[in-house]
Amino acid sequence: GEDVEQSLFLSVREGDSSVINCTYTDSSSTYLYWYKQEPGAGLQLLTYIFSNMDMKQDQRLTVLLNKKDKHLSLRIADTQTGDSAIYFCAEFEGRRALTFGSGTRLQVQP
Amino acid sequence: DVKVTQSSRYLVKRTGEKVFLECVQDMDHENMFWYRQDPGLGLRLIYFSYDVKMKEKGDIPEGYSVSREKKERFSLILESASTNQTSMYLCASSLPSLGFTGRTGSQYFGPGTRLTVL
Repeated sequence: GEDVEQSLFLSVREGDSSVINCTYTDSSSTYLYWYKQEPGAGLQLLTYIFSNMDMKQDQRLTVLLNKKDKHLSLRIADTQTGDSAIYFCAEFEGRRALTFGSGTRLQVQP
Repeated sequence: DVKVTQSSRYLVKRTGEKVFLECVQDMDHENMFWYRQDPGLGLRLIYFSYDVKMKEKGDIPEGYSVSREKKERFSLILESASTNQTSMYLCASSLPSLGFTGRTGSQYFGPGTRLTVL
């Protein structure tokens, strides 16, 4: 079955880059996503990448995909206190719903 | 912008009560989903629906049922609430994915309902 794993916690200083990592097991994934959840809120779609790409950049966000190792990462440049949130990685293999990781809590220290 | 709304942000119910959680989306999405979110477990899929009156079980359907009578509305029902159903419930909607066409199947989420069962 599908499985998506993330580390639970990451702490960085304001202005540094953050890198949040994710591994997945389903080699037939067509899309991989990053969602952000702020306290008390639902999930907000940040970005996605097709499985036939290896990189996508969107302003401060860079997504890297290593399909061979089934490894996805989200890099946030110049991390701000407003970036403090839980970040979820998710994968979709085209048949049913997304499979989510357990989320990485990003804490940004001033 | 896609808007997904949920009927309540916070709900407190007693064990054994019947509980209805409502979700409405305004973007004419075919797909709708119910998840529960618990600390350390991420999001787990309860039920989803590809069309009106159609439903499929997700990973943890026990103790829940759903109803989709209209395209824009997807209801989650707890027939007899139990304390282990205390959780955050998240509704989402999406268009069907169409391979690498750009229709990604990205899901859009409501704000969540935090349910406490006493």
